[in-house]
Amino acid sequence: ETGVTQSPTHLIKTRGQQVTLRCSSQSGHNTVSWYQQALGQGPQFIFQYYREEENGRGNFPPRFSGLQFPNYSSELNVNALELDDSALYLCASSQGWTGQYEQYFGPGTRLTVT
Amino acid sequence: SQQGEEDPQALSIQEGENATMNCSYKTSINNLQWYRQNSGRGLVHLILIRSNEREKHSGRLRVTLDTSKKSSSLLITASRAADTASYFCVPSDSWGKLQFGAGTQVVVTP
Repeated sequence: ETGVTQSPTHLIKTRGQQVTLRCSSQSGHNTVSWYQQALGQGPQFIFQYYREEENGRGNFPPRFSGLQFPNYSSELNVNALELDDSALYLCASSQGWTGQYEQYFGPGTRLTVT
Repeated sequence: SQQGEEDPQALSIQEGENATMNCSYKTSINNLQWYRQNSGRGLVHLILIRSNEREKHSGRLRVTLDTSKKSSSLLITASRAADTASYFCVPSDSWGKLQFGAGTQVVVTP
């Protein structure tokens, strides 16, 4: 167990709706990253938050947005859901920039868009 | 940023055997990380090896890094059924954004 928690575990939404996923980072970690993992593929980097500011983004459209709070927990928001957004969403926390430190992953939120 | 390319894509071995998987990448790195993912324990960090290191051990795991060849390998010795998982190598440049590839799917049969 890593100490990183995510909620909810599973979620079913309809195309066009909006969704918010939540992540609590491990104690002492100031960096949170979010990943999208489609079935049978490796996780794809969405963005990273370091001390409450986004400081890196993958190839995801602006309808994917996030927040990091003073306690370093984080939210991932996805607007105008599309069928292809169905995936496992993982968050990971680390002591600093993701390239310098190992990341601790949460169990993920399984999102299904119908 | 860049992603590693793991080889082979799939590996099937028996318990007690060793498993070796390789990783190649394209540009200079600060470090390279290996992760494992299975249905039971999710995605777990295994080893981080920095660009100035050549070899690192953790329990039954041995990772090597050859920056001149832009390659790394992960050796699992005396494999167990619990080692059944997907293994990802993740090279990291100075920016730090991590990109995962498709991974190596390892199946260990009793």
